[in-house]
Amino acid sequence: DQQVKQNSPSLSVQEGRISILNCDYTNSMFDYFLWYKKYPAEGPTFLISISSIKDKNEDGRFTVFLNKSAKHLSLHIVPSQPGDSAVYFCAASDRTNFGNEKLTFGTGTRLTIIP
Amino acid sequence: GAVVSQHPSWVICKSGTSVKIECRSLDFQATTMFWYRQFPKQSLMLMATSNEGSKATYEQGVEKDKFLINHASLTLSTLTVTSAHPEDSSFYICSARLAQGGDTQYFGPGTRLTVL
Repeated sequence: DQQVKQNSPSLSVQEGRISILNCDYTNSMFDYFLWYKKYPAEGPTFLISISSIKDKNEDGRFTVFLNKSAKHLSLHIVPSQPGDSAVYFCAASDRTNFGNEKLTFGTGTRLTIIP
Repeated sequence: GAVVSQHPSWVICKSGTSVKIECRSLDFQATTMFWYRQFPKQSLMLMATSNEGSKATYEQGVEKDKFLINHASLTLSTLTVTSAHPEDSSFYICSARLAQGGDTQYFGPGTRLTVL
C-alpha cells in the first residue's frame, strides 16, 4: 500500500522556467510533509517542509503548497537551474503517533533541467 | 549544521560474512536514528527505527536477527548485516533526528553493499 505517491517518475524543464513536482497521499493522519533532493549514490538532502496547519511555505527558490482536502502537495522551483537536476522525494509523517514518527517516502521524481 | 556521516561508503564482501555500517551525527545529538535501504530506481524503504539506549523497532518483514542495530550513544548507531547474501546487496542509508525534537530527518551519504 503506497501511502505517498509521486505519479510522475520523470520531468524535464527548461532552465529558468518553473519546475512543479507533485505528490499525493492517502493517509489522513499525515500532518507533516517534507521534500528531499537526492543525487545518485548519495543520501537525500532536506529541502523544505510544511506543517498541515499551513498551506504554503517558501524558502528562496523553493515553495511547497499543501492542499489538505485534496491530500496533495507540490514543490515549485523557480527559476530552475541545472544544479536542480536530481531525484526529488516527498515524505510524510504522523506526528501524533508519538514514538513512531517515521517518514513515509514517495517513489521519487527525476527532474532534469535542460540548459 | 545537522551533518550525518556513514562509514564505509561502499563495501564488497563474500557471501556468509557479516558487515557493519556506522552512522554518526557529527554536530548534533540524535536520540533517534533510522535505517533505510534503497533498491535501484525505487523509493527509500524504512528498515528500522533506532532509539538510543533501547532496542530498535523493526518494520514488518525486516529480520531483526539478520539486521542487528545498536544505538549505543547519542551520536552513533550501527547496522550489522549478518551472514550476508547476494540479495542483501543494496544501498543502505541512515538518518538522524535532533534529540531536542523536530521532525526533520537528516540523512547520511549512504553505504553501497555488494555481496558476492
